[in-house]
Amino acid sequence: DTAVSQTPKYLVTQMGNDKSIKCEQNLGHDTMYWYKQDSKKFLKIMFSYNNKELIINETVPNRFSPKSPDKAHLNLHINSLELGDSAVYFCASSLESGEAFFGQGTRLTVV
Amino acid sequence: DAKTTQPTSMDCAEGRAANLPCNHSTISGNEYVYWYRQIHSQGPQYIIHGLKNNETNEMASLIITEDRKSSTLILPHATLRDTAVYYCIVKGHTDKLIFGTGTRLQVFP
Repeated sequence: DTAVSQTPKYLVTQMGNDKSIKCEQNLGHDTMYWYKQDSKKFLKIMFSYNNKELIINETVPNRFSPKSPDKAHLNLHINSLELGDSAVYFCASSLESGEAFFGQGTRLTVV
Repeated sequence: DAKTTQPTSMDCAEGRAANLPCNHSTISGNEYVYWYRQIHSQGPQYIIHGLKNNETNEMASLIITEDRKSSTLILPHATLRDTAVYYCIVKGHTDKLIFGTGTRLQVFP
Protein backbone atom coordinates (compact mmCIF):
# COMPACT_ATOMS: atom_id res chain seq x y z
CA ASP A 1 0.00 0.00 0.00
CA THR A 2 1.30 3.41 -0.93
CA ALA A 3 1.77 5.56 2.16
CA VAL A 4 1.32 8.95 0.47
CA SER A 5 -0.46 8.90 -2.86
CA GLN A 6 -1.06 11.73 -5.27
CA THR A 7 -3.29 11.92 -8.29
CA PRO A 8 -2.84 12.56 -11.09
CA LYS A 9 0.80 11.72 -11.70
CA TYR A 10 0.87 13.87 -14.83
CA LEU A 11 -1.28 16.86 -15.68
CA VAL A 12 -1.12 18.86 -18.90
CA THR A 13 -3.45 21.81 -19.16
CA GLN A 14 -3.88 25.15 -20.86
CA MET A 15 -3.23 28.54 -19.38
CA GLY A 16 -6.19 29.98 -17.57
CA ASN A 17 -7.67 26.64 -16.58
CA ASP A 18 -8.44 25.56 -13.01
CA LYS A 19 -7.11 22.22 -11.81
CA SER A 20 -6.82 20.16 -8.65
CA ILE A 21 -4.25 17.71 -7.37
CA LYS A 22 -5.33 15.22 -4.74
CA CYS A 23 -3.26 13.77 -1.93
CA GLU A 24 -4.06 11.04 0.55
CA GLN A 25 -1.99 9.47 3.29
CA ASN A 26 -2.76 6.25 5.16
CA LEU A 27 -0.09 6.66 7.86
CA GLY A 28 -2.31 8.28 10.47
CA HIS A 29 -0.17 11.41 10.40
CA ASP A 30 -1.56 14.69 11.63
CA THR A 31 0.50 17.04 9.44
CA MET A 32 0.46 17.29 5.66
CA TYR A 33 2.41 19.49 3.25
CA TRP A 34 2.64 20.65 -0.31
CA TYR A 35 6.02 21.31 -1.91
CA LYS A 36 6.85 22.67 -5.35
CA GLN A 37 9.93 21.62 -7.30
CA ASP A 38 10.71 23.87 -10.22
CA SER A 39 12.78 23.25 -13.32
CA LYS A 40 15.95 24.12 -11.43
CA LYS A 41 15.10 21.33 -8.97
CA PHE A 42 14.65 23.60 -5.95
CA LEU A 43 12.17 22.10 -3.50
CA LYS A 44 10.11 24.76 -1.76
CA ILE A 45 7.44 24.33 0.86
CA MET A 46 4.12 25.90 -0.03
CA PHE A 47 1.66 24.90 2.68
CA SER A 48 1.45 22.88 5.84
CA TYR A 49 -1.70 21.64 7.53
CA ASN A 50 -1.97 20.18 11.00
CA ASN A 51 -5.22 18.44 11.88
CA LYS A 52 -7.01 20.17 9.00
CA GLU A 53 -5.78 23.63 10.03
CA LEU A 54 -3.42 25.75 7.98
CA ILE A 55 -0.10 26.14 9.79
CA ILE A 56 2.31 27.35 7.13
CA ASN A 57 1.46 29.45 4.12
CA GLU A 58 4.59 30.53 2.35
CA THR A 59 4.56 33.33 -0.20
CA VAL A 60 2.34 31.58 -2.68
CA PRO A 61 -0.10 33.32 -5.05
CA ASN A 62 -3.65 33.17 -3.78
CA ARG A 63 -4.54 31.28 -6.95
CA PHE A 64 -3.28 28.28 -4.98
CA SER A 65 -5.73 27.09 -2.36
CA PRO A 66 -5.17 23.98 -0.25
CA LYS A 67 -8.17 22.14 1.09
CA SER A 68 -8.11 19.52 3.81
CA PRO A 69 -11.45 17.71 4.15
CA ASP A 70 -10.00 15.43 6.81
CA LYS A 71 -6.66 14.55 8.37
CA ALA A 72 -5.85 12.01 5.68
CA HIS A 73 -6.36 14.31 2.70
CA LEU A 74 -4.81 17.56 1.52
CA ASN A 75 -5.82 18.65 -1.95
CA LEU A 76 -4.31 21.51 -3.91
CA HIS A 77 -6.54 23.61 -6.12
CA ILE A 78 -5.00 26.02 -8.60
CA ASN A 79 -7.02 28.73 -10.36
CA SER A 80 -6.13 30.54 -13.56
CA LEU A 81 -3.06 28.47 -14.30
CA GLU A 82 0.00 30.27 -15.63
CA LEU A 83 3.05 29.02 -17.53
CA GLY A 84 5.19 29.59 -14.43
CA ASP A 85 3.10 27.11 -12.46
CA SER A 86 4.67 24.29 -14.45
CA ALA A 87 6.58 22.20 -11.93
CA VAL A 88 6.47 18.97 -9.98
CA TYR A 89 4.25 19.20 -6.91
CA PHE A 90 4.93 16.89 -3.97
CA CYS A 91 2.60 16.09 -1.15
CA ALA A 92 4.06 14.88 2.15
CA SER A 93 2.91 13.92 5.62
CA SER A 94 4.48 13.51 9.03
CA LEU A 95 3.68 13.34 12.67
CA GLU A 96 3.98 16.78 14.23
CA SER A 97 7.61 15.96 14.85
CA GLY A 98 9.49 13.33 12.94
CA GLU A 99 10.36 12.32 9.44
CA ALA A 100 8.23 13.27 6.47
CA PHE A 101 6.98 10.82 3.87
CA PHE A 102 6.58 12.13 0.35
CA GLY A 103 4.34 11.14 -2.50
CA GLN A 104 5.69 10.41 -5.96
CA GLY A 105 4.84 13.84 -7.27
CA THR A 106 2.50 15.37 -9.83
CA ARG A 107 4.17 16.80 -12.91
CA LEU A 108 2.12 19.80 -13.98
CA THR A 109 2.69 21.25 -17.42
CA VAL A 110 0.88 24.42 -18.40
CA VAL A 111 0.81 25.14 -22.14
CA ASP B 1 17.37 30.09 4.00
CA ALA B 2 18.96 26.65 4.29
CA LYS B 3 21.31 26.46 7.24
CA THR B 4 23.66 23.90 5.75
CA THR B 5 26.52 23.76 3.25
CA GLN B 6 27.13 20.68 1.13
CA PRO B 7 29.38 19.95 -1.85
CA THR B 8 27.54 20.25 -5.12
CA SER B 9 28.47 16.81 -6.34
CA MET B 10 30.44 13.66 -5.46
CA ASP B 11 31.35 10.39 -7.10
CA CYS B 12 31.66 6.99 -5.50
CA ALA B 13 32.56 3.57 -6.84
CA GLU B 14 29.97 0.85 -6.43
CA GLY B 15 30.61 -1.24 -3.34
CA ARG B 16 32.67 1.43 -1.66
CA ALA B 17 31.54 3.64 1.21
CA ALA B 18 30.06 6.99 0.25
CA ASN B 19 30.84 9.71 2.79
CA LEU B 20 28.74 12.83 2.32
CA PRO B 21 29.80 15.85 4.38
CA CYS B 22 27.60 18.66 5.66
CA ASN B 23 28.51 21.87 7.47
CA HIS B 24 26.00 23.42 9.84
CA SER B 25 28.07 25.82 11.93
CA THR B 26 25.06 27.85 13.13
CA ILE B 27 23.08 24.89 14.45
CA SER B 28 21.34 25.61 17.73
CA GLY B 29 21.00 23.30 20.71
CA ASN B 30 17.50 22.04 19.95
CA GLU B 31 18.01 21.49 16.23
CA TYR B 32 18.40 18.08 14.67
CA VAL B 33 20.36 17.05 11.59
CA TYR B 34 18.16 15.29 9.06
CA TRP B 35 19.17 13.59 5.83
CA TYR B 36 16.88 12.97 2.90
CA ARG B 37 17.58 11.89 -0.63
CA GLN B 38 15.79 12.27 -3.93
CA ILE B 39 16.28 9.67 -6.59
CA HIS B 40 15.55 10.95 -10.08
CA SER B 41 11.85 11.54 -10.73
CA GLN B 42 10.82 10.34 -7.27
CA GLY B 43 9.71 12.06 -4.10
CA PRO B 44 12.27 12.79 -1.39
CA GLN B 45 12.99 9.89 0.94
CA TYR B 46 13.91 10.13 4.61
CA ILE B 47 17.23 8.50 5.48
CA ILE B 48 18.23 9.27 9.05
CA HIS B 49 18.39 12.00 11.66
CA GLY B 50 20.28 12.75 14.86
CA LEU B 51 20.79 15.31 17.59
CA LYS B 52 24.29 14.78 18.95
CA ASN B 53 24.98 11.08 19.09
CA ASN B 54 25.97 9.04 16.09
CA GLU B 55 23.08 7.13 14.58
CA THR B 56 22.82 4.04 12.39
CA ASN B 57 19.91 2.39 10.65
CA GLU B 58 19.46 -0.06 7.80
CA MET B 59 20.15 2.64 5.21
CA ALA B 60 23.05 4.66 6.56
CA SER B 61 25.11 5.96 9.44
CA LEU B 62 25.21 9.53 10.64
CA ILE B 63 28.32 10.86 12.33
CA ILE B 64 27.94 14.22 14.09
CA THR B 65 31.01 16.04 15.36
CA GLU B 66 31.25 16.80 19.05
CA ASP B 67 30.70 20.52 18.50
CA ARG B 68 27.76 19.64 16.20
CA LYS B 69 28.98 22.04 13.53
CA SER B 70 29.30 19.36 10.91
CA SER B 71 28.19 15.85 10.13
CA THR B 72 28.80 13.05 7.66
CA LEU B 73 26.31 10.66 6.14
CA ILE B 74 27.85 7.30 5.39
CA LEU B 75 26.41 4.79 2.93
CA PRO B 76 28.59 1.80 3.81
CA HIS B 77 28.35 -0.07 0.51
CA ALA B 78 27.07 2.21 -2.22
CA THR B 79 25.08 0.70 -5.08
CA LEU B 80 24.00 2.17 -8.37
CA ARG B 81 20.54 2.67 -6.87
CA ASP B 82 22.03 5.08 -4.35
CA THR B 83 22.65 7.61 -7.13
CA ALA B 84 20.56 10.58 -6.00
CA VAL B 85 20.62 14.09 -4.60
CA TYR B 86 21.27 14.00 -0.86
CA TYR B 87 19.95 16.78 1.34
CA CYS B 88 21.29 17.65 4.76
CA ILE B 89 18.72 19.66 6.72
CA VAL B 90 18.93 21.25 10.13
CA LYS B 91 15.67 21.89 11.94
CA GLY B 92 13.91 21.84 15.25
CA HIS B 93 11.69 18.83 15.77
CA THR B 94 8.48 20.65 14.86
CA ASP B 95 9.96 23.12 12.37
CA LYS B 96 9.20 23.00 8.67
CA LEU B 97 11.50 21.00 6.41
CA ILE B 98 13.53 23.38 4.23
CA PHE B 99 15.58 21.87 1.43
CA GLY B 100 18.84 23.36 0.17
CA THR B 101 20.59 22.41 -3.04
CA GLY B 102 22.00 19.13 -1.73
CA THR B 103 24.84 16.94 -3.01
CA ARG B 104 24.41 15.03 -6.21
CA LEU B 105 25.97 11.61 -5.60
CA GLN B 106 26.88 9.59 -8.65
CA VAL B 107 27.69 5.94 -7.99
CA PHE B 108 29.60 4.38 -10.87
CA PRO B 109 30.22 0.71 -11.71
